[in-house]
Amino acid sequence: DAGVIQSPRHEVTEMGQEVTLRCKPISGHNSLFWYRQTMMRGLELLIYFNNNVPIDDSGMPEDRFSAKMPNASFSTLKIQPSEPRDSAVYFCASSPLADRGTEAFFGQGTRLTVV
Amino acid sequence: AQKVTQAQTEISVVEKEDVTLDCVYETRDTTYYLFWYKQPPSGELVFLIRRNSFDEQNEISGRYSWNFQKSTSSFNFTITASQVVDSAVYFCALSEAYNTNAGKSTFGDGTTLTVKP
Repeated sequence: DAGVIQSPRHEVTEMGQEVTLRCKPISGHNSLFWYRQTMMRGLELLIYFNNNVPIDDSGMPEDRFSAKMPNASFSTLKIQPSEPRDSAVYFCASSPLADRGTEAFFGQGTRLTVV
Repeated sequence: AQKVTQAQTEISVVEKEDVTLDCVYETRDTTYYLFWYKQPPSGELVFLIRRNSFDEQNEISGRYSWNFQKSTSSFNFTITASQVVDSAVYFCALSEAYNTNAGKSTFGDGTTLTVKP
C-alpha cells in the first residue's frame, strides 16, 4: 500500500498566485481530511470529506480557500489568491471509517511558502 | 465542543530516562476515541495508538505505555528507557462518535520531546 500521497512536497509561490495542493487517499478509505500545521496555531482541521461529500468546512480560513473531492481517489485544496500568512505545512489524511474511531493515515505533507 | 490540552510544550531528557507526556481532554460525548501520534523531525505524522471511551485498560507496547483514566479525563503516554530516536513531537487527539463532529479529530498542541545522548 502506497499510503496517502500528496503533491507537491514543496511549493514556493508569489503572493497573489493560485496554489493547488493534491492528495490521493489510501484506496478504500471513506474519509479524507485536510489539515494545516503552523508554529502559531498547531494542527488545524480545514475540511473533512466523507464518501466524497464535504461534511465540515468550518475550519477553512476564508473564501480564498476551497477544496474538492471529485472522486474517491483524489482531492484538491486550492488557495486563490495566496498570501504570505498561508505559508504552512498542509497535510492530507484518510481514514477507513473515521466516524467509528479509526485512526487517520497522514501523507507526508506539502510545505507551502508564499513570498 | 471537544478540546485537547497538552500542557507540556517541551520536555528534555537524557537517554534511558523514563518520560511521561500528559494529555487532558474535554468532551460532552459518552462515546469517543483518543489517539496518540508521533511527528519525527522528518515531518510525517505516525499513528501510535487508539483508545475508545469504553476501554480503560492500560496498554503496553514495548517501551511505550498508555494510561487512560476517564475519572480525570486523561490519556497519558509513557516512554520507558527513552532513546534518541524517540525525539519527536507527540500529539494527542480526540474524536467524538455520535454528533456532527463524528470522525473529526481535534489535536492538542503537541509536546516536543528531546532525548539527549
